[in-house]
Amino acid sequence: DQQVKQNSPSLSVQEGRISILNCDYTNSMFDYFLWYKKYPAEGPTFLISISSIKDKNEDGRFTVFLNKSAKHLSLHIVPSQPGDSAVYFCAASVEDSGTYKYIFGTGTRLKVLA
Amino acid sequence: DTGVSQDPRHKITKRGQNVTFRCDPISEHNRLYWYRQTLGQGPEFLTYFQNEAQLEKSRLLSDRFSAERPKGSFSTLEIQRTEQGDSAMYLCASSLLTSGAPGTQYFGPGTRLTVL
Repeated sequence: DQQVKQNSPSLSVQEGRISILNCDYTNSMFDYFLWYKKYPAEGPTFLISISSIKDKNEDGRFTVFLNKSAKHLSLHIVPSQPGDSAVYFCAASVEDSGTYKYIFGTGTRLKVLA
Repeated sequence: DTGVSQDPRHKITKRGQNVTFRCDPISEHNRLYWYRQTLGQGPEFLTYFQNEAQLEKSRLLSDRFSAERPKGSFSTLEIQRTEQGDSAMYLCASSLLTSGAPGTQYFGPGTRLTVL
């Protein structure tokens, strides 16, 4: 049962344009969401997060949008740069009896073309 | 302290051998997580510690897997009698649990295990 889904395995975008990466989830109890970037042979690097009480969080070129009614979040990268080429994972967290656990999606490979 | 470190970065072993991985978290972080990642998948939760206490283990973690975090600092993950299906990237992450918030997890570079 994949509770966090990234339905696009790959995405290609021209340098300077906007990259939009999407993530859907099924568990309405998720209350904290994160995006990670992963280069080959490295661990995931934290990018940006959003709490379920917000619908938008912005950090430089990265903005995350959360639509709770649709159980959907997206990561916008503007402008896209070749160095952004990586695999992007979304993750969702839920608290259960004091335990916080993160569930990751399967990732979207972004390729930014120069 | 520059981040989470893991050792070794790569491990090749023969089926049936035991292997042990080490993770050193960010020093002030009280939570430590182990994940496994296979090709085309996101990280899958294995287990986590709050300080030295192991609070949860995934069903993915068979009896051949054991993890420890003595003194609430570094952690080790041991796999006994390795199988080819254990081949994966093993990731460690740490976070600081504060009241009412899960904290951001920071990952190490991972240990890539290949079982021949």
